[in-house]
Amino acid sequence: RKEVEQDPGPFNVPEGATVAFNCTYSNSASQSFFWYRQDCRKEPKLLMSVYSSGNEDGRFTAQLNRASQYISLLIRDSKLSDSATYLCVVTSLTASKLTFGTGTRLQVTL
Amino acid sequence: DTAVSQTPKYLVTQMGNDKSIKCEQNLGHDTMYWYKQDSKKFLKIMFSYNNKELIINETVPNRFSPKSPDKAHLNLHINSLELGDSAVYFCASSREQGNTEAFFGQGTRLTVV
Repeated sequence: RKEVEQDPGPFNVPEGATVAFNCTYSNSASQSFFWYRQDCRKEPKLLMSVYSSGNEDGRFTAQLNRASQYISLLIRDSKLSDSATYLCVVTSLTASKLTFGTGTRLQVTL
Repeated sequence: DTAVSQTPKYLVTQMGNDKSIKCEQNLGHDTMYWYKQDSKKFLKIMFSYNNKELIINETVPNRFSPKSPDKAHLNLHINSLELGDSAVYFCASSREQGNTEAFFGQGTRLTVV
């Protein structure tokens, strides 16, 4: 089983749609969780951290469910510029690294 | 000012050659990483350094040798390049090892021919 699993997609949605991505992780000792965004031929960039209480940043909402070991990202009112690959990232102090999921590709269309 | 910078951005070289990629961060972070992103776009950790000390070597062939002269720099030297080494190599840094977000360099696209 992969340490961090994501549906690779692609998710093709029209502008204005709401889309949700899920991610599951296998290490119950994981401590910190993030969503990164990667555009084609660019480096991954931090989109948002994911907190146990859930957090929102504009049109983006992230949730963490430790009991079920999954993380979600909700994007409301999708824009063309949201088209990218969204990477779920999990870390633990003992692992000393960030472990990436394979990414979920989002394509927002007119 | 670029927070994490790596050079070169593109590298095309023949099999059997030796090449280096340089990385520098000006964020004052203690931890630096090298990641490899293959053709399937999966980002895999190669090395992790904390305050110039090697923390992780994730079953990378001995042909890959990282060097950290100080905590702001982590260079990657690759000997006897093989076709399978073609990938994008990303350097990254984080404030602490393991549980804080990382910031990435722009990547080095290595093509071995």
